[in-house]
Amino acid sequence: EAGVVQSPRYKIIEKKQPVAFWCNPISGHNTLYWYLQNLGQGPELLIRYENEEAVDDSQLPKDRFSAERLKGVDSTLKIQPAELGDSAVYLCASSLGLWGAHQETQYFGPGTRLLVL
Amino acid sequence: QQPVQSPQAVILREGEDAVINCSSSKALYSVHWYRQKHGEAPVFLMILLKGGEQKGHEKISASFNEKKQQSSLYLTASQLSYSGTYFCGTVWNSGGSNYKLTFGKGTLLTVNP
Repeated sequence: EAGVVQSPRYKIIEKKQPVAFWCNPISGHNTLYWYLQNLGQGPELLIRYENEEAVDDSQLPKDRFSAERLKGVDSTLKIQPAELGDSAVYLCASSLGLWGAHQETQYFGPGTRLLVL
Repeated sequence: QQPVQSPQAVILREGEDAVINCSSSKALYSVHWYRQKHGEAPVFLMILLKGGEQKGHEKISASFNEKKQQSSLYLTASQLSYSGTYFCGTVWNSGGSNYKLTFGKGTLLTVNP
């Protein structure tokens, strides 16, 4: 079974440029998560989708970040414009069931390492 | 809401044991443990639920004290492959039927031959 796929793996951009990250979850997984991980820190949730609905985007900086999950499968996370402080690893994860039971195992992708110059 | 992990780092020789602790100021509903190797994805190890049920790894064990809002991960007879950063994630109620999973800063475990 294929795991969570993310692309690109690495991205270097100049500040004020836009950037987009793509995630393909494990087939059949209903819940998709985007996390931000700074160096030496644990993952921090940005947004959680249940099927195609964004059910928790309370930590997403909506002035510059946006996300979509079309048809409840793949997802894209966008930053526009990027700032120096956005340099981090962006992780995507998926789980089979819905988060409501909060017992779901999350399967993480390898992440996209973003460097903003 | 971020759980506190201790120690921040630990170095072991192969075959030695280690304990990683995770504590929260919030009432907890479950605790999730993950291991992440440098440059790789976090990998699920275990979920501990209220009531004592455990789901996960066969060679790594853990405990969950609901009253103290603490969890501990026990690594026995460590192997070189155990090296990595261990994260605990604690699930707490943020209001109504909303549950949040918040990860700690991690514990860096190094196992040497």
